[in-house]
Amino acid sequence: KQEVTQIPAALSVPEGENLVLNCSFTDSAIYNLQWFRQDPGKGLTSLLLIQSSQREQTSGRLNASLDKSSGRSTLYIAASQPGDSATYLCAVDVGGFKTIFGAGTRLFVKA
Amino acid sequence: NAGVMQNPRHLVRRRGQEARLRCSPMKGHSHVYWYRQLPEEGLKFMVYLQKENIIDESGMPKERFSAEFPKEGPSILRIQQVVRGDSAAYFCASSPGVSGGRDSPLHFGNGTRLTVT
Repeated sequence: KQEVTQIPAALSVPEGENLVLNCSFTDSAIYNLQWFRQDPGKGLTSLLLIQSSQREQTSGRLNASLDKSSGRSTLYIAASQPGDSATYLCAVDVGGFKTIFGAGTRLFVKA
Repeated sequence: NAGVMQNPRHLVRRRGQEARLRCSPMKGHSHVYWYRQLPEEGLKFMVYLQKENIIDESGMPKERFSAEFPKEGPSILRIQQVVRGDSAAYFCASSPGVSGGRDSPLHFGNGTRLTVT
């Protein structure tokens, strides 16, 4: 049974700091891994999608890596800004069109 | 270019009443997924539907919950005889057809927050 774990559960950093969010999954048989952002009271916004054959994806200040064999992914945020404050969710596609989510990392960037 | 539309945004029901949650997928998307999010927890898969077909409902409670995606109109998640434990945020996501399902990201609506009093 696939389980997705995100560490840390919450993180508070000063503005400008580079930071890494971690995601681990128990079964390496995945089709892709997706990072989402969720703002309070809002839906999820897709940030990056990494196919199982890929090692990383980049979008602006965000970089996500995937190591399928070890069951790990990281989301790197460069030069963090207060507007980055949100909950970041990691999700893996395990086939059958079923996506398994982690509980998220709540990020607070202080101005 | 509207995204995934869910309504209502907030829904309050007394115990024993019925809740009906609606989801219109993105234009061109024929696959709909429903997820439930409890406080401080991640999203839990409930059901995956295509037009007029339930493909996977392994995450749906066996009783009181049902979902449909008719040929015309939005997908509906229906909860009968609601209880306090049904209080949660219910999210709908959509994706393109099979050929693009795993290459394209899931697109989520803003959710319906159900409160059972």
